[in-house]
Amino acid sequence: QVQLVESGGGVVQPGRSLRLSCAASGFIFKNYAMYWVRQAPGKGLEWVSVIWYDGSDEYYGDAVKGRFAISRDNSKNILYLQMDSLRGDDTAIYYCGRSRTATSTVIEYWGQGTLVTVSS
Amino acid sequence: DIQMTQSPSSLSASVGDRVTITCRASQDISNYLAWFQQKPGKAPKSLIYAVSKLQNGVPSKFSGSGSGTYFTLTINSLQAEDLGTYYCQQYSTYPYTFGQGTKLEIK
Repeated sequence: QVQLVESGGGVVQPGRSLRLSCAASGFIFKNYAMYWVRQAPGKGLEWVSVIWYDGSDEYYGDAVKGRFAISRDNSKNILYLQMDSLRGDDTAIYYCGRSRTATSTVIEYWGQGTLVTVSS
Repeated sequence: DIQMTQSPSSLSASVGDRVTITCRASQDISNYLAWFQQKPGKAPKSLIYAVSKLQNGVPSKFSGSGSGTYFTLTINSLQAEDLGTYYCQQYSTYPYTFGQGTKLEIK
């Protein structure tokens, strides 16, 4: 079955960097677009980023554009989110997600999330 | 960016009730509308895509309708396990955006 397992979260100081990973299994990773979505404590869902199945294109939410970078390693079945210049309002649970099909851009599967806390 | 506005922000209903949540887009998103359910302390779950198509394994008590800028999610025969927060999301135009959520409580 489809499994998405995020890791790399933790406590980080403002201005520092952190890289999240999402290990995928149970499907052909290279055939699907992948996403990051976050949720600040007690708040709603916020779309962060998407990367095409082959890594050829990527898009970002306004709040993270220019500071975060999504990437993937299709040989290792891993999705990444490089987060630079972190701020307090980046504190959130970060979820990775998989698209429904190779040509669809809607999320079907979600991971369990990893918590990032930005604090001095 | 496209703004997604849900109403109500919260509602309380009884077991067996039918509830409807609405979602409005700030511009035409055609049928690129999805719904997600999030139970307390859990990751979101995908319910519906393309306005009305159920994701695999989602029971038919959930249904969606609408087009353009106005959409609804209906839950029939409400059960206690349906409590949680429901989100709509447009995937017509980047950046994709979510509604603010509708918290469903069971009386």
